[in-house]
Amino acid sequence: QSVLTQPPSASGTPGQRVTISCSGSSSNIGRSYVYWYQQLPGTAPKLLISRNNQRPSGVPDRFSGSKSGTSASLAISGLRSEDEADYYCAAWDDSLSDVIFGGGTKLTVL
Amino acid sequence: QLQLQESGSGLMKPSQTLSLTCAVSGGSINSGGYSWSWIRQPPGKGLEWIGYSYHSGSTYYTPSLKSRVTISVDRSKNQFSLRLSSVTAADTAVYYCAREGDPGWFHPWGQGTLVTVSS
Repeated sequence: QSVLTQPPSASGTPGQRVTISCSGSSSNIGRSYVYWYQQLPGTAPKLLISRNNQRPSGVPDRFSGSKSGTSASLAISGLRSEDEADYYCAAWDDSLSDVIFGGGTKLTVL
Repeated sequence: QLQLQESGSGLMKPSQTLSLTCAVSGGSINSGGYSWSWIRQPPGKGLEWIGYSYHSGSTYYTPSLKSRVTISVDRSKNQFSLRLSSVTAADTAVYYCAREGDPGWFHPWGQGTLVTVSS
């Protein structure tokens, strides 16, 4: 079981807005940046959101990140079929002295 | 643009030592401010960070694997390597290499290579 908790699945229809949560604690999200990764089927993960809410160059502004206290969220607006992927949050954990990933959320576009 | 490519042993037997290399192209492994990391993903499961090495040779490993892991950088070949000793079936995974900035910031990633441990 991951230290960062994500829902195992999420879904939405094209054009909808979907949010994926990542719940942690004071030793990780509460004091560290949160990163989000998108893993399309059969491919390597790709950096989607950096430092809680910053989009790297090339990432559409449909993707946004936020953090409050010991939780973080990834929001995807204007959902598209190509957004169907696994999404992972990541952060440093001071207590474990380790980079930790959430268990991942499988997003299905209905 | 920076690109990373993994290579190495695909099928292994228990107790052997896993050895993988990540070739870096489009940039120098000597770039300041970044470390060079390995991350793995068991089939159908989530991501697990293994550790990193700076070009200086300074390393850090995840506590759960620390006793079995060595990550090293070959600056002359612009590549870095992973060695994992005494493998078991639990080490079966796709192994990714990546450049790491802040802890948890990984970009770009290699395409990944599947390592299967089976007797």
